[in-house]
Amino acid sequence: GAGVSQSPRYKVAKRGQDVALRCDPISGHVSLFWYQQALGQGPEFLTYFQNEAQLDKSGLPSDRFFAERPEGSVSTLKIQRTQQEDSAVYLCASSLANGQSYEQYFGPGTRLTVT
Amino acid sequence: GQQLNQSPQSMFIQEGEDVSMNCTSSSIFNTWLWYKQDPGEGPVLLIALYKAGELTSNGRLTAQFGITRKDSFLNISASIPSDVGIYFCAGQLGGNNRLAFGKGNQVVVIP
Repeated sequence: GAGVSQSPRYKVAKRGQDVALRCDPISGHVSLFWYQQALGQGPEFLTYFQNEAQLDKSGLPSDRFFAERPEGSVSTLKIQRTQQEDSAVYLCASSLANGQSYEQYFGPGTRLTVT
Repeated sequence: GQQLNQSPQSMFIQEGEDVSMNCTSSSIFNTWLWYKQDPGEGPVLLIALYKAGELTSNGRLTAQFGITRKDSFLNISASIPSDVGIYFCAGQLGGNNRLAFGKGNQVVVIP
């Protein structure tokens, strides 16, 4: 079946530009997570949605980062006025979260390079 | 944030050998997971562990959830070239919670 998909796979932005990264979770998955992965590091949590509700955004590094999931399916991570330190791979994961299965399945990521 | 320590950070092994890797934490977790990541791809779930002391296998992979709930190990038996990749441990407090990842363990299999 279809897994988590993300687009674009690669994004190059000039410093100061705004970017929008899209995540399509596995159909029927209630929970959606965003992680940031710097080169040579493990993924770091950014934010979490249960359906359309953003329940935890404590990992967002600054107020330039904003995420939404208005209909409880597709999610968008927006970064305003990008800085070089925002260069990383942005990973999306979804989870069924049905009381029995909470395993998170990851998409391929979007590699953001800020020049 | 929570710190998970993975050791060793990189390993070069001969095809056919077994390999073990370890993950420790200063915090207790209720769930431990092991993921594998190939270049340019997202992490793929290998094994999930839900009970302290639990030993779980998935093909040539075996993982254990430490009884203190602060550690886990992963063993790969009879390694093959496609085992090359970065292996991450992740801890979760349980339920619908964020994952805390280690820095990863790069495995290289020499034919």
